Amino acid sequence: DAGVIQSPRHEVTEMGQEVTLRCKPISGHDYLFWYRQTMMRGLELLIYFNNNVPIDDSGMPEDRFSAKMPNASFSTLKIQPSEPRDSAVYFCASSFRPTGIGVGGETQYFGPGTRLLVL
Amino acid sequence: EDQVTQSPEALRLQEGESSSLNCSYTVSGLRGLFWYRQDPGKGPEFLFTLYSAGEEKEKERLKATLTKKESFLHITAPKPEDSATYLCAVSPGGGNKLTFGTGTQLKVEL
Repeated sequence: DAGVIQSPRHEVTEMGQEVTLRCKPISGHDYLFWYRQTMMRGLELLIYFNNNVPIDDSGMPEDRFSAKMPNASFSTLKIQPSEPRDSAVYFCASSFRPTGIGVGGETQYFGPGTRLLVL
Repeated sequence: EDQVTQSPEALRLQEGESSSLNCSYTVSGLRGLFWYRQDPGKGPEFLFTLYSAGEEKEKERLKATLTKKESFLHITAPKPEDSATYLCAVSPGGGNKLTFGTGTQLKVEL
């Protein structure tokens, strides 16, 4: 299995521009998670999907952020307009089952991340 | 609010010098505690899941333990390839989320 695939790996853009990050989860995984990692705040959950439906977006910082999952093999995280404080590494993760149920299959597998720099 | 605190922030060991990393947590109804390893420029890599106090799991030179308030990651006779950032995360009851600590950056020198 190729694991979770993210693109692009690096993105440099100017303030005000639209940024789209892409993720392909592991085949057969029903849960998809978007995280943001910064030095100051560590890894933070932004939003997660179950069977392509957004379940909890309480971590999305503001309306400039949006996420979609049009099918089981593709998700996007969009920032419009981007700001310098959005600079971070964005990770996508997927799992077969819900986290914390204790019956296996719940491990979240992370992609390599997209390093975003907004100038 | 769920909280995870890891200590120390950074740790430098000599090869073969055993030590422990700490993860203290406050969570409503712990459903699971997870340890991940993260290498520079890469995504977190899963190591262990612990579900209840008293549980222990081992993998090579790593051993994770869990109490009602904290978890330890014991590293026995570490090697340079064990150098990485170790992340702890908790899954609270009633949710399908992971709350992460900020990690311990471990460096093992020859």
